[in-house]
Amino acid sequence: AQSVAQPEDQVNVAEGNPLTVKCTYSVSGNPYLFWYVQYPNRGLQFLLKYITGDNLVKGSYGFEAEFNKSQTSFHLKKPSALVSDSALYFCAVRWRPGSARQLTFGSGTQLTVLP
Amino acid sequence: GAVVSQHPSRVICKSGTSVKIECRSLDFQATTMFWYRQFPKQSLMLMATSNEGSKATYEQGVEKDKFLINHASLTLSTLTVTSAHPEDSSFYICSAGASGGLSTDTQYFGPGTRLTVL
Repeated sequence: AQSVAQPEDQVNVAEGNPLTVKCTYSVSGNPYLFWYVQYPNRGLQFLLKYITGDNLVKGSYGFEAEFNKSQTSFHLKKPSALVSDSALYFCAVRWRPGSARQLTFGSGTQLTVLP
Repeated sequence: GAVVSQHPSRVICKSGTSVKIECRSLDFQATTMFWYRQFPKQSLMLMATSNEGSKATYEQGVEKDKFLINHASLTLSTLTVTSAHPEDSSFYICSAGASGGLSTDTQYFGPGTRLTVL
């Protein structure tokens, strides 16, 4: 069965500093990996995804993530955090070639960027 | 592109009544839509997967007679919570899997519906 883990419930970082939100996955085969962000009382917004190709994926709002197959990780990063980046971040995985495009979500990481 | 809307955004109802939540893909066709439930400060729990023109597939533990899903067209899916009870109070989120020109690998999420059952 596929699973995804976000080991940190909460990440705090000062504005202007680099941020990392961790994600590891367990899946047999090659995964599709996603990052979503959720602001309070809102749905999820797509940030980026890894399907194939370059291990470094660039997404919305200056975020990027690196797919590391040997470590089965897909950590989300941003070089310089903004206060407006404060939100709940979800990593998700889909085993390809999954027939129904179902996603398995991590437990979420609350990112707080301190001014 | 790839905008998904939900209506209503917030609903309060009395125990025993039924509530319908609509999920629409505004600028693309969605052959598959998903319904999730999210409790406070928790992750999303997949309730069911619906494909246009066919019956929804429910996840284990989700009562199909209580959570009725209809995917009548390529742009509309509805979730009806029948005979709602306070324990059904939650944040319900839909998503749509795109087809055609948009990436078929990505789910696009609606803004969610906050249901409160008194």
